[in-house]
Amino acid sequence: GENVEQHPSTLSVQEGDSAVIKCTYSDSASNYFPWYKQELGKGPQLIIDIRSNVGEKKDQRIAVTLNKTAKHFSLHITETQPEDSAVYFCALRAGGTSYGKLTFGQGTILTVHP
Amino acid sequence: GAVVSQHPSRVICKSGTSVKIECRSLDFQATTMFWYRQFPKQSLMLMATSNEGSKATYEQGVEKDKFLINHASLTLSTLTVTSAHPEDSSFYICSAVNYFGGSYNEQFFGPGTRLTVL
Repeated sequence: GENVEQHPSTLSVQEGDSAVIKCTYSDSASNYFPWYKQELGKGPQLIIDIRSNVGEKKDQRIAVTLNKTAKHFSLHITETQPEDSAVYFCALRAGGTSYGKLTFGQGTILTVHP
Repeated sequence: GAVVSQHPSRVICKSGTSVKIECRSLDFQATTMFWYRQFPKQSLMLMATSNEGSKATYEQGVEKDKFLINHASLTLSTLTVTSAHPEDSSFYICSAVNYFGGSYNEQFFGPGTRLTVL
């Protein structure tokens, strides 16, 4: 099946700095790329997503970029705040996937120090 | 985003008993629901895909007779862990998605259920 490689596994930044998490994939038919934030003991929360016909999408301090040629997509968080600390998962929906199934990356533990 | 609920949020049971977990999409009709299992500090592991009115599709290595899934309506799916044992202790999370306009839309997750089997 489709694999998604997510890096880094841990990321530590100072409040106000930017954070970037990158995911690479192999199936060129992948067409949907969401990002989820998971706080301890809670379910994942969809924070932003992008479809394959778009190269970049932004929502306030969060942005996602997609490079279909290189097969990677990245999450960018600007002006980080301590409440951004969580585990972030990238995911993708491969082309032809039955019933909208997602494949997840391994996760990135983001810590924002005040 | 859409709201998906799970009940219970936490359950402790004795070994050998069965536990039922409910997953509900509160403000949209979910054509498909998914059940995941998550171990500490790990990613989500898909267990099965559930479509309303049909049998669930299980991922390789997941025992369908142990993890019974029912998707009786477009807003409710249940996961029953039968004859639970300590190794079944985990964080179980459901998600829901609907199919509209020729494509699948965003997938929303429930808050999870922490199962502890003594």
